Amino acid sequence: DIQMTQFPSSLSASVGDRVTITCRASQSISTYLNWYQQKPGRAPKLLIYGTSSLQSGVPSRFSGSGSGTDFTLTISSLQPEDFATYFCQQSYTAFGGGTKVEIK
Amino acid sequence: EVQLVESGGGLVQPGGSLRLSCAASGFTFSSYDMHWVRQATGKGLEWVSAISSTGDTYYSGSVEGRFTVSRENAKNSLYLQMNSLRAGDTAVYYCARERVITTTGIPPVYYYYGMDVWGQGTTVTVSS
Repeated sequence: DIQMTQFPSSLSASVGDRVTITCRASQSISTYLNWYQQKPGRAPKLLIYGTSSLQSGVPSRFSGSGSGTDFTLTISSLQPEDFATYFCQQSYTAFGGGTKVEIK
Repeated sequence: EVQLVESGGGLVQPGGSLRLSCAASGFTFSSYDMHWVRQATGKGLEWVSAISSTGDTYYSGSVEGRFTVSRENAKNSLYLQMNSLRAGDTAVYYCARERVITTTGIPPVYYYYGMDVWGQGTTVTVSS
């Protein structure tokens, strides 16, 4: 099975900061990579699918890139509502361990 | 309104069984692949199982042979039959939908659109 590894597992940032989260697959998954945001007590929310396609309604400050084994989620200017945990996912199957974005 | 509502969670003893249900509304259920994803308290997301729009089933290694996913399109419903439950199966279980498009070429190409609608989750606790 392909393993998905995210790093860092947590980070502290301030409103307005540019934030980058990395996801690495144990073998090539082409561009079959999704990103989700989850807030405490809530179901996950799809942000990006297919590595870089923004889900409808998701702000354009979120972007994704990568291919093969290395992928990134970037938040260009962190907003108060973005403090949450972010998960990558190989399309249709395994999730990464998550990255918690906290207020600095 | 597009909605998924899980039910059937509860407390069960190790070795016991439980059947989860997920009721869909507001969209053409039969056209979507459906997933079960679980999350233990304070932990990350774990993909559990999926069933395609055509009825193909898929399982994670941790549940294969113990869990069975099924769907009943006439009732807009998804199910997860869980047998031989263990303490490690304790989690909130979510159902989610995913649009998947498959080309008819050889080999076929799959286009995945991510899990875009999720239910609120149902809690399963395995304990004596």
